[in-house]
Amino acid sequence: DAKTTQPPSMDCAEGRAANLPCNHSTISGNEYVYWYRQIHSQGPQYIIHGLKNNETNEMASLIITEDRKSSTLILPHATLRDTAVYYCIVRVPDPGYGNKLVFGAGTILRVKS
Amino acid sequence: DAGVIQSPRHEVTEMGQEVTLRCKPISGHNSLFWYRQTMMRGLELLIYFNNNVPIDDSGMPEDRFSAKMPNASFSTLKIQPSEPRDSAVYFCASRAGTGRDTEAFFGQGTRLTVV
Repeated sequence: DAKTTQPPSMDCAEGRAANLPCNHSTISGNEYVYWYRQIHSQGPQYIIHGLKNNETNEMASLIITEDRKSSTLILPHATLRDTAVYYCIVRVPDPGYGNKLVFGAGTILRVKS
Repeated sequence: DAGVIQSPRHEVTEMGQEVTLRCKPISGHNSLFWYRQTMMRGLELLIYFNNNVPIDDSGMPEDRFSAKMPNASFSTLKIQPSEPRDSAVYFCASRAGTGRDTEAFFGQGTRLTVV
């Protein structure tokens, strides 16, 4: 699986958009970008994933650059409950590729009132 | 569905004792993962199963650790003998692993303290 790089921490004001970047410059053509988050004392939670098109769901939006070397997770209106560690993971979603989900260090997002 | 269920939620044991952590995956999921999380090393994948068969146990730290999945609805992670450095939060996760767009669901974890 391709390596990802994320900033160690970010702050965001409550009610504002939180934009979390992820660099995956060695991503290959069949690898997807996944985002999970982990709120303190809980297990990680899936947020969103995509291949090359921008994706949106009820939790967030995922913007992937045209060359797919980086992406941004957007929480449109961050709340205090969004304070968590956010993990960007790149992998091939196919059991034939090992089916692993490997976490890096992630970004600590602190939403402040 | 109640989600992935882990037990116990907290475990305190003395060094040298055997510890067994339990996991019930979501019904119908055929991939199961065990992770360990510490402040120093973050979230580490220990082992994962597909259709009850261990696929990759390269993350298991040493022979003191063993994992089994006797059927599709139950898995155990055993540490024997336990050591203080095994203190961590252990997470179990499951996924319907045959599709392309499947997400992993995590349990609430077991916080293990070895004294």
